[in-house]
Formats: sequence, C-alpha cells, structure tokens
Amino acid sequence: NAGVMQNPRHLVRRRGQEARLRCSPMKGHSHVYWYRQLPEEGLKFMVYLQKENIIDESGMPKERFSAEFPKEGPSILRIQQVVRGDSAAYFCASSPPWGSGANVLTFGAGSRLTVL
Amino acid sequence: GDSVTQMEGPVTLSEEACLTINCTYTATGYPSLFWYVQYPGEGLQLLLKATKADDKGSNKGFEATYRKETTSFHLEKGSVQVSDSAVYFCALSLPANTGNQFYFGTGTSLTVIP
Repeated sequence: NAGVMQNPRHLVRRRGQEARLRCSPMKGHSHVYWYRQLPEEGLKFMVYLQKENIIDESGMPKERFSAEFPKEGPSILRIQQVVRGDSAAYFCASSPPWGSGANVLTFGAGSRLTVL
Repeated sequence: GDSVTQMEGPVTLSEEACLTINCTYTATGYPSLFWYVQYPGEGLQLLLKATKADDKGSNKGFEATYRKETTSFHLEKGSVQVSDSAVYFCALSLPANTGNQFYFGTGTSLTVIP
C-alpha cells in the first residue's frame, strides 16, 4: 500500500518560471493538505482540499499560488512566476475521510524547490 | 485561536541522557494531540498520538501524556540515542465541519552526540 507520493522530489526553476508540484494521497484518503517549510523554519499550513473542493486556503499567498485536487489524478500545487523566496520544501499530507475515526496525517517525502 | 507552542531548540544531548521537549496547546474544542518526527531530508512521520485527556501515547521509547488541566503534551524519553537526532513537531487536530484541521508547532531540533 503506497504512501503519499510526491513528485518531483527536487525541482529547480529560474525566477519568473512556473513550478508544479504533484501529490497522490494514500489509497483510501480523500483529504489533502499542503505545507511549506522554509530553511530553518517550522511547518506552515497552506491549503486543505477534498476532491474538487478547497476547504481551507487561509495559508495560501494571495498571488501566484494555487492548488487543486481534481476528481481524477493527483493534487497539484502551482506557483506562477516564482521568486527566490519561494525556495522551500513543500510537503503534502493526506488523511482518511471525515468521520472515519482516523484523523492522522500521513506525509509525503516532500518536494524541494530551488529558485535560481 | 487554536495553536501549539513548543520548546525552542536546538537541543543537544549526550547519548543516554534524558529528553523532555515541552509542548502546550490552545484549543476551543477537544483536540487530538500528536508528535511527529522529521529525519534529515525526509518528510514528517507520526511518532505517537493521544486522542483524549489522560491518554498516554508511546512509541520507540518515547512517551507523551495528554494533560488537559495543564493543556500540555510533553515528549519524553529516558535514554536518547544518536539515531534520535531529528526535528520533533508537536501538533493538534480539531474536527471541523468538513474534516480535521491540523496545527503544528515550530519544531524542536534534537542532536544527540556519542
């Protein structure tokens, strides 16, 4: 039973390019969370999604960042016109359906974005 | 609002020393509490959890007790090993209308030296 799969593991972009990070949740999990971890800092919540629905995006920057979790396929975190300050590790986590009794987050290994 | 505050690091200990990492929380409801561990270059892994007051979570020699009266969930280990060197995150989970929201502390870096 594969865990949370994130790709790419490492991504290098030049300033102004777009970055797309993908996350496939654990089998049977219906909720996806995205977090950002800056060097030497803690974990910052960005967005929380169900299939085809954004539940909470209070941690997402208002510009350049967007996230989706389509009916088919992985969740995608998209960063347009990247800047050096976007360099960070981006972690995806998934959890089972609401009410299933198991409210544990399972994390992926992360995608490390470097902006040159 | 709902939040987690944990002890600032970094923490450096000698092998076989005792470890305590403090964690306190603020929550409007009845949270579940967690400790996650992050080894270098990896994602977070669940270390232990407790879902109600007075529950004790334990795993790999680590323990934490859910103390409602002091709103705390301190992580303890009696004898640390070099392999315990990692960043430790305290977290809480609260139910919301459509799912659970999770709140993480800032992480405490632990280095164990031989």
